[in-house]
Amino acid sequence: SQQGEEDPQALSIQEGENATMNCSYKTSINNLQWYRQNSGRGLVHLILIRSNEREKHSGRLRVTLDTSKKSSSLLITASRAADTASYFCATDVYAAGNKLTFGGGTRVLVKP
Amino acid sequence: GAGVSQSPRYKVAKRGQDVALRCDPISGHVSLFWYQQALGQGPEFLTYFQNEAQLDKSGLPSDRFFAERPEGSVSTLKIQRTQQEDSAVYLCASGRKQGINEQFFGPGTRLTVL
Repeated sequence: SQQGEEDPQALSIQEGENATMNCSYKTSINNLQWYRQNSGRGLVHLILIRSNEREKHSGRLRVTLDTSKKSSSLLITASRAADTASYFCATDVYAAGNKLTFGGGTRVLVKP
Repeated sequence: GAGVSQSPRYKVAKRGQDVALRCDPISGHVSLFWYQQALGQGPEFLTYFQNEAQLDKSGLPSDRFFAERPEGSVSTLKIQRTQQEDSAVYLCASGRKQGINEQFFGPGTRLTVL
C-alpha cells in the first residue's frame, strides 16, 4: 500500500509557467523527499525536507512541508520542456527503518 | 563516477520460469533497497539490506521472492516460478549510510511475464 497520495495525477502546462503538485501522507514522518522519473528511467532525487523544516529551496524547486496537515507541495518555477516527467513524493517513516514509501506520482507535461 | 547499475534492463520470462535480477550499487554504499513499480504507479518497497544483512523483507509479496547480498555489495533479486502479476519494473537503490536517507536509484529492470 502507498502512504502518500499526490494531486493532481496529471498536469499540463506551457513552458515558462509554474507547476505545483501536492502530496498528502498518513503517518508521522522522519523526512519527506521528492523524486523525478523520466519515462523508462530510474528515479532521480530532487530534494529532502526534514520533519522540523517548513520550506526548502533548490534552484527552481521549492518544497513546503506542513506536518500538522500531513502534506507537502513541490513548486517548479519557470518550467522547461526538460521538466516533463513524473514526480513522486516519498516518506521516511519513524519505526519503519530506512525504507521509502512513495505516492502515486504526478505526471507533468511541459509544452514548448 | 558510476551510479547504480542493474542488469538485465529488460527480461521476458514465460510463466513458471525463474529469474534473477542483478544490482550493482554505488561503491561504498552501505544501504541497498529493492522496489517494485507497476505501470503507472509509484515504487513499492520490497526489501532492505545494510551491508550483507537483510534487515527488512516485509515488502516481498510471496515466498517466491528472494534477495541476497552476500558480500555487502552486489545484490540479486530472485523470483521463482514467475507469474503474470510479477510483471513490473524492479528498481534497486543504494544509500551512503543509515539515517541520511537520500537514495540513488538504478535504471530498473523491466520484467514481463508471458
